[in-house]
Amino acid sequence: AQKVTQAQTEISVVEKEDVTLDCVYETRDTTYYLFWYKQPPSGELVFLIRRNSFDEQNEISGRYSWNFQKSTSSFNFTITASQVVDSAVYFCALSEAYLTQGGSEKLVFGKGMKLTVNP
Amino acid sequence: ETGVTQTPRHLVMGMTNKKSLKCEQHLGHNAMYWYKQSAKKPLELMFVYSLEERVENNSVPSRFSPECPNSSHLFLHLHTLQPEDSALYLCASSRDRGGNEQFFGPGTRLTVL
Repeated sequence: AQKVTQAQTEISVVEKEDVTLDCVYETRDTTYYLFWYKQPPSGELVFLIRRNSFDEQNEISGRYSWNFQKSTSSFNFTITASQVVDSAVYFCALSEAYLTQGGSEKLVFGKGMKLTVNP
Repeated sequence: ETGVTQTPRHLVMGMTNKKSLKCEQHLGHNAMYWYKQSAKKPLELMFVYSLEERVENNSVPSRFSPECPNSSHLFLHLHTLQPEDSALYLCASSRDRGGNEQFFGPGTRLTVL
């Protein structure tokens, strides 16, 4: 069965600090997808990134970077030089690949990690 | 208007009321989803529709009844709800099922009295 664990439930940092959000996943499938979403106070989940299980190359997008380590089943997310606008709940999620007839794929979310960035 | 929209944004209802939540996506996607987000639980998938056909019902009580009249619209009909059904209900869409990123609406904050 699929499982996503975000061990940290809440982190508070001061602006300009770097912060890393941990995500560990479990799956029996060899083909799967990993995601990060951001949920600001307004409630809407904002898609940040999608990676497939065959692409372990780390990715950087502005102040955001992601470290995918298949050997440790981790997909960690780092925010560099955090800003107050980064304050939100961040979710890591896992989806197994589409299965043929009789199968169904779900997006399984972790419990989320609340990040507060103080000025 | 772009993206995924949901109406109403807030809803208060009694246990004997019947109401409906509406979701509309303007992204040309083929799959749509309903999620429930409670204060003390992770996001729970409720229903999945692919090409207007329900492909997943995640053990949701019958007091929740989804409807997908076309690939752009998704409804969640509510009747005789319980106070524990109070939650944020999120709609999402994706191009197809199978690992595509899902785009979420702003949610409907539901309170059942």
